[in-house]
Amino acid sequence: AQSVAQPEDQVNVAEGNPLTVKCTYSVSGNPYLFWYVQYPNRGLQFLLKYITGDNLVKGSYGFEAEFNKSQTSFHLKKPSALVSDSALYFCAVRGISGGGADGLTFGKGTHLIIQP
Amino acid sequence: DVKVTQSSRYLVKRTGEKVFLECVQDMDHENMFWYRQDPGLGLRLIYFSYDVKMKEKGDIPEGYSVSREKKERFSLILESASTNQTSMYLCASIRGSTGELFFGEGSRLTVL
Repeated sequence: AQSVAQPEDQVNVAEGNPLTVKCTYSVSGNPYLFWYVQYPNRGLQFLLKYITGDNLVKGSYGFEAEFNKSQTSFHLKKPSALVSDSALYFCAVRGISGGGADGLTFGKGTHLIIQP
Repeated sequence: DVKVTQSSRYLVKRTGEKVFLECVQDMDHENMFWYRQDPGLGLRLIYFSYDVKMKEKGDIPEGYSVSREKKERFSLILESASTNQTSMYLCASIRGSTGELFFGEGSRLTVL
């Protein structure tokens, strides 16, 4: 079975500082990894994904994530945080099972709070 | 612009009522999903469908059923709503197995 861990319920960062939201995963075989963001009372919006290739993936709104196979991690990063980045962030994984798409397994989410 | 539409954003129902949550996608995606989201628990997969009239149980199917009569529409049904089904319900779709999920805006259900 595949799983995702987001070890921090909440991350607080001052505006302008770099931010990191942590994610580790467990899956059989090579993973597909995703980050999503959710604003209050809204659905999830896709930020970025890792399928294969370069370990550093760039996504929407200046976010990037680094795939580390040896540490089974896929941490989300941004060089300079904005107050508008405050939201709930989800990491997700799908194992390459070879079968039909069976959805993603999500972490519990991390509240990111950017303080002015 | 791709779109997944959930017809009801907010619903209030009484215990024992039958509840239908509708989801429509305009992207010709084969695969569609229903998740529920609860604080501290993240998203949990209820059911998914990879083709018309096909359905598969997710991690928490108890108390729910689904219907997919047309490719673009995937309905979640609560046969007899209970208070522990008060939650945010999210529909999503995907093309193939390598793409990202596209989510609807969510349906917040309160069962009294």
